[in-house]
Amino acid sequence: KNQVEQSPQSLIILEGKNCTLQCNYTVSPFSNLRWYKQDTGRGPVSLTIMTFSENTKSNGRYTATLDADTKQSSLHITASQLSDSASYICVVSGRGSYIPTFGRGTSLIVHP
Amino acid sequence: NAGVTQTPKFRVLKTGQSMTLLCAQDMNHEYMYWYRQDPGMGLRLIHYSVGEGTTAKGEVPDGYNVSRLKKQNFLLGLESAAPSQTSVYFCASSYLQGNQPQHFGDGTRLSIL
Repeated sequence: KNQVEQSPQSLIILEGKNCTLQCNYTVSPFSNLRWYKQDTGRGPVSLTIMTFSENTKSNGRYTATLDADTKQSSLHITASQLSDSASYICVVSGRGSYIPTFGRGTSLIVHP
Repeated sequence: NAGVTQTPKFRVLKTGQSMTLLCAQDMNHEYMYWYRQDPGMGLRLIHYSVGEGTTAKGEVPDGYNVSRLKKQNFLLGLESAAPSQTSVYFCASSYLQGNQPQHFGDGTRLSIL
């Protein structure tokens, strides 16, 4: 069964600090991995999309990495801001499948 | 540019009642999706559509029906609501299925009593 595991489940950091969120998956064959940000009460918003051949993708202060060999990805947030408080969701799609596998998300709280 | 709009935003139903959730997108996207999000679980795909007039089952389709009569609209129906269908429902759309971002609406919060 395809699975996407995210860690930590929750994280509290101080404003201005960096943090890294982890995503491990078992989806095979692999097509792409996406990171989404979901604010409370809102729908997810796409941050990055990476395919098999990409190992790094940046979007402003967000940098995602992918190691397709070990089936691991990370999302690094630099110089965190209060507005970064949200749930971050890792989603993996298999080649030839329309049904993506979502992780449960990491809840990030940034304190002033 | 509204993106993906879902109506209604909130709804409370009694067991056995029926209702339709509406999703509208103004980005001329071919693909549309309905997901449900439950506490402690990742989003799960209910049904999806790869174009006007087409629909297909996702991971958790039982108890739901969908229609895509117009390219910009994707309807999700509950014929006989059950408490297990209490959830937050999200609609999404994308230009293509592959390496394209999905654009999500802000959800419909549905409670079945």
